[in-house]
Amino acid sequence: DTEVTQTPKHLVMGMTNKKSLKCEQHMGHRAMYWYKQKAKKPPELMFVYSYEKLSINESVPSRFSPECPNSSLLNLHLHALQPEDSALYLCASSQEWIYGYTFGSGTRLTVV
Amino acid sequence: DQQVKQNSPSLSVQEGRISILNCDYTNSMFDYFLWYKKYPAEGPTFLISISSIKDKNEDGRFTVFLNKSAKHLSLHIVPSQPGDSAVYFCAATTYSGAGSYQLTFGKGTKLSVIP
Repeated sequence: DTEVTQTPKHLVMGMTNKKSLKCEQHMGHRAMYWYKQKAKKPPELMFVYSYEKLSINESVPSRFSPECPNSSLLNLHLHALQPEDSALYLCASSQEWIYGYTFGSGTRLTVV
Repeated sequence: DQQVKQNSPSLSVQEGRISILNCDYTNSMFDYFLWYKKYPAEGPTFLISISSIKDKNEDGRFTVFLNKSAKHLSLHIVPSQPGDSAVYFCAATTYSGAGSYQLTFGKGTKLSVIP
């Protein structure tokens, strides 16, 4: 298995909803990442987990809450989002060597 | 402050010709540079990379050149094919520790290969 799997592929949520994005990999990668990409913009790093511990939080608002239950799974919990949070959310994982940096297909999130 | 810059938002090339995509960076601490190809609503797909200690890396139709003194890299695609039409992102890495890397992306260049 050489993929990063993200679910759901599409999500529409209201500003008062609570939802979660899920990311899974079975490549034995020990680092996992959340990126956010707005239309016609580059992906921007949100969080980095190394060995299941949060190592980097790029000043992301607390309405985004990451969780790493085990080495294969990464979640992003969403609560009280704003319409400007609508974007493509990308998960990635990497091994010790940079060539193994792999992205999932993303979750297209729309906040209404 | 944008550390990785792709100054051409778009590029059109005739099929069979060479496509040259350019990227400039400002942070001399970057240790690897990567090119990704991206289709709409999909995750970036890794194409080719180069270490900061090398000046050229080739993989099939794709060659990346690095000029460290100019802080400039370029991706050459020869020959260009219609299937190469996509957005190409230049990215640079810094090591974050404990086996993790931070990727900093440029804004991307949309390549259109005309049959």
